[in-house]
Amino acid sequence: GIQVEQSPPDLILQEGANSTLRCNFSDSVNNLQWFHQNPWGQLINLFYIPSGTKQNGRLSATTVATERYSLLYISSSQTTDSGVYFCAVSEGTYKYIFGTGTRLKVLA
Amino acid sequence: ETGVTQSPTHLIKTRGQQVTLRCSSQSGHNTVSWYQQALGQGPQFIFQYYREEENGRGNFPPRFSGLQFPNYSSELNVNALELDDSALYLCASSLGTGVEQYFGPGTRLTVT
Repeated sequence: GIQVEQSPPDLILQEGANSTLRCNFSDSVNNLQWFHQNPWGQLINLFYIPSGTKQNGRLSATTVATERYSLLYISSSQTTDSGVYFCAVSEGTYKYIFGTGTRLKVLA
Repeated sequence: ETGVTQSPTHLIKTRGQQVTLRCSSQSGHNTVSWYQQALGQGPQFIFQYYREEENGRGNFPPRFSGLQFPNYSSELNVNALELDDSALYLCASSLGTGVEQYFGPGTRLTVT
């Protein structure tokens, strides 16, 4: 099955810094989502982005499907951005496969 | 528009017992997927229900079973609980299969 790798595994930033999170996947996918998991476990949808580029405020994402990777950009980070960021991909019509996540901590 | 809800929030069970977790899908969504998230790991797919039928299953034993009701809400049942079943159980709903999924807040199950 598809393997999903995320990097870096851990990231510590000062408030106001920018960061790039990467998701590599081992085969063609039909769907790709980025999530932020808050400290209470809630998975919050950030982007549904099987290909192309999207932006939402300080966050943006790019997926290059032909090269099997996606990037999540966080600009001017805030302490509320802390948590775990997951990339999830789907090759078929049902299950999503999650990466191991990037744990982000933003310091005030 | 009502989001995905799950109940209960927390649950403590003893090894060997049975448990039922519930999920109400987002308004208008006909597909529910269940995931198990162990501590420090990413969620793992258990199974998906589409229009009351199981549409796909991950690598979980038969003691993990589910149902979807005509209103598209869903239940996850786990029999003969084991210590390793302790995890956060997440439900996701979507409008159809193979599209964007929206997650509920989860049920944290502890097996002692």
